[in-house]
Amino acid sequence: AQKVTQAQTEISVVEKEDVTLDCVYETRDTTYYLFWYKQPPSGELVFLIRRNSFDEQNEISGRYSWNFQKSTSSFNFTITASQVVDSAVYFCALSHRDKIIFGKGTRLHILP
Amino acid sequence: DAGVIQSPRHEVTEMGQEVTLRCKPISGHDYLFWYRQTMMRGLELLIYFNNNVPIDDSGMPEDRFSAKMPNASFSTLKIQPSEPRDSAVYFCASSLGTGKNYEQYFGPGTRLTVT
Repeated sequence: AQKVTQAQTEISVVEKEDVTLDCVYETRDTTYYLFWYKQPPSGELVFLIRRNSFDEQNEISGRYSWNFQKSTSSFNFTITASQVVDSAVYFCALSHRDKIIFGKGTRLHILP
Repeated sequence: DAGVIQSPRHEVTEMGQEVTLRCKPISGHDYLFWYRQTMMRGLELLIYFNNNVPIDDSGMPEDRFSAKMPNASFSTLKIQPSEPRDSAVYFCASSLGTGKNYEQYFGPGTRLTVT
């Protein structure tokens, strides 16, 4: 069965520290996509990244980076030099057929 | 471009009343999804449409819930009669394609409170 596990329910770090959000997935699909979404306190869900299962290159976008390792079924998200505005709930998600399966989310607190 | 638009943003109603949530997807997106978010159950997919046709409604919790998409730019999710356990944030999302190939873009959500 398809499943996304975000073991870290809640994380708190001091501003400017680096933080990594873990995501482990299970799937029997040979082709799939992985996603990360951000849900700030205002409540909307913001798309951050989509990764194809065939592309294991790491990706960097500003202070954000993603590490996809198919061998360990993980798709981790790192924020470098965190800022208070990064405080949010972050969801990892997995495609399955026509749907996206979301993890339970990790609530990230960046303390000033 | 405007994103996904949902209305109302907040709805407070009494148990037994009918509730209608509205969504306007991003222009050109062929897929529309309705989700419900609660603390206990997280994000749940309720139903999705492709080209205005409902494809999978297996997530719709009960017959009290119904959804329609009369045209490419409008969808409704109706709860009749509403119950306190329906209190949640309801999101609408749209995409160019399915989860296999395309990301979904979410609206701001409708926070529903049923008293």
